[in-house]
Amino acid sequence: AQSVTQPDIHITVSEGASLELRCNYSYGATPYLFWYVQSPGQGLQLLLKYFSGDTLVQGIKGFEAEFKRSQSSFNLRKPSVHWSDAAEYFCAVYDTGGFKTIFGAGTRLFVKA
Amino acid sequence: KAGVTQTPRYLIKTRGQQVTLSCSPISGHRSVSWYQQTPGQGLQFLFEYFSETQRNKGNFPGRFSGRQFSNSRSEMNVSTLELGDSALYLCASSFGSNNEQFFGPGTRLTVL
Repeated sequence: AQSVTQPDIHITVSEGASLELRCNYSYGATPYLFWYVQSPGQGLQLLLKYFSGDTLVQGIKGFEAEFKRSQSSFNLRKPSVHWSDAAEYFCAVYDTGGFKTIFGAGTRLFVKA
Repeated sequence: KAGVTQTPRYLIKTRGQQVTLSCSPISGHRSVSWYQQTPGQGLQFLFEYFSETQRNKGNFPGRFSGRQFSNSRSEMNVSTLELGDSALYLCASSFGSNNEQFFGPGTRLTVL
């Protein structure tokens, strides 16, 4: 069955430090992968997506993610975290057969001064 | 281009009542999906509509239903509300089947 695993429930990083959020997926075909961010009380904002091509994708707000087929991973990175990045981050895969997005459980990011 | 809009943004109901939530997709988008978000279960898929046809439904009881109109606007209905239906209900629209989904701000439903 298709699934997405985000092994870290929460992560705390210092402002200015680098960030990596982990994501592993299970999907039979070529995956359409996404990272979304959600601030408290808000909807989901798309950070970046991978459909095909270059395995390193750039997104908004300085985020990037690397698709590694051999590891079934799609980790999100940012070289220098800002306090405004504190939010919950969701990795997701689009199930083309089921016309639905399957989300990971999310990783809550805390940023300390 | 306006984003996905959902109304109402907040709703308080009591057990046993029913509720209807509305979603207006981005202009030109024909696919509308609904998700339920709770702290315990995370984001769960409810159903998806494309050109007024439900193409898939998640693992939810029959109390949860939806429909899509010819202008792509969608509504979801929950009958006989239970306390566990308290959640953030998110609507998402996309142009086609394999395109990214754009999410609305959600409707926060509280069942007392």
